[in-house]
Amino acid sequence: GENVEQHPSTLSVQEGDSAVIKCTYSDSASNYFPWYKQELGKGPQLIIDIRSNVGEKKDQRIAVTLNKTAKHFSLHITETQPEDSAVYFCAASNTGRRALTFGSGTRLQVQP
Amino acid sequence: NAGVTQTPKFQVLKTGQSMTLQCAQDMNHNSMYWYRQDPGMGLRLIYYSASEGTTDKGEVPNGYNVSRLNKREFSLRLESAAPSQTSVYFCASSPRDINSPLHFGNGTRLTVT
Repeated sequence: GENVEQHPSTLSVQEGDSAVIKCTYSDSASNYFPWYKQELGKGPQLIIDIRSNVGEKKDQRIAVTLNKTAKHFSLHITETQPEDSAVYFCAASNTGRRALTFGSGTRLQVQP
Repeated sequence: NAGVTQTPKFQVLKTGQSMTLQCAQDMNHNSMYWYRQDPGMGLRLIYYSASEGTTDKGEVPNGYNVSRLNKREFSLRLESAAPSQTSVYFCASSPRDINSPLHFGNGTRLTVT
């Protein structure tokens, strides 16, 4: 089955700095890679996703990059703000599997 | 438009007791899922339902049963609760299959003593 590893487990940055979270996956057939943000006491919420036919995707201050050869993908947040503080999860799946495999999460803290 | 609604929000059970976690979505989604979240382990899939009338096991199904009552509702039952089932449970739905965005509820925090 798929195995997704996520690093770092915690990340503290100053407001305005950039944050990068990295994930690696094991199943070369995986072709869908979403990122979720979870605020305290709430369920995860999709913030961006990428499919294997694309190398990079941007949405305002958030970007995701995918390296299929190395089997890793990363979340980049620029100009971080205190409201970006949350736990972020990466995940991977493919059309042949019926379940997303999640990473273990990164707690991001943005210091004002 | 409430999205995905889970009840209850909190529950404490004694070992051996049973309970059902309820989930309903109002987005006309085909697929629904139950995940559990434990510290340092991300979210793990318990059961899913690709469409009304079908259910399948996920990664950690032991000790659980599910019912897809209709397109809107997907319940999770613990027949005989164990301390290892202490966790936060999330229900989610997606418009098509797992490769479409998941919409999560706000979770049920379950403690088994």
